[in-house]
Amino acid sequence: AQSVAQPEDQVNVAEGNPLTVKCTYSVSGNPYLFWYVQYPNRGLQFLLKYITGDNLVKGSYGFEAEFNKSQTSFHLKKPSALVSDSALYFCAVRDMDNYQLIWGAGTKLIIKP
Amino acid sequence: EAQVTQNPRYLITVTGKKLTVTCSQNMNHEYMSWYRQDPGLGLRQIYYSMNVEVTDKGDVPEGYKVSRKEKRNFPLILESPSPNQTSLYFCASTPTGLIYEQYFGPGTRLTVT
Repeated sequence: AQSVAQPEDQVNVAEGNPLTVKCTYSVSGNPYLFWYVQYPNRGLQFLLKYITGDNLVKGSYGFEAEFNKSQTSFHLKKPSALVSDSALYFCAVRDMDNYQLIWGAGTKLIIKP
Repeated sequence: EAQVTQNPRYLITVTGKKLTVTCSQNMNHEYMSWYRQDPGLGLRQIYYSMNVEVTDKGDVPEGYKVSRKEKRNFPLILESPSPNQTSLYFCASTPTGLIYEQYFGPGTRLTVT
């Protein structure tokens, strides 16, 4: 069965330190992968996606993600965290059979000053 | 401005009183979808529509109805709301194509007492 896992419910990082939010997936065929962010009391916003090509994808707000096919992972990263990065982050993968997105449960990122 | 709008943003109602949450997008997207977001459960898809007059059940369709009479609108109908439908609801849209990201509305927080 196709699935997405975000193994950490919460990630705590000090401001200025690098951050990583983990995502692993299980799909048949080549994956189309997405990251979204949800700020408090807001809708989800698209951050970045991997469709094909370079394994390192750059997105909004200084975020990037690395696609690793052998480890079936698509971890979200940022070199230097900001307090304003504190939010809920969702990873999603496209189900190629029915077109729908399969969502991870979300990871709450807390950046402390 | 390209956007997905939802109304109302907040709604408190009583069990059994029919309600409709409207969703509209101005991007000429073919695909639209409704999700509910509950703590610890992430996003769960309720219904989706690949185009006008085409709707399909998502993962949690029970107790909900939708219609897609026009391309831009995709209302969510709760004919007899119950307390277990208290949740945060999001509408989303995207162009047809596996590579495209979804655009989300701001959310509707529904409380059923």
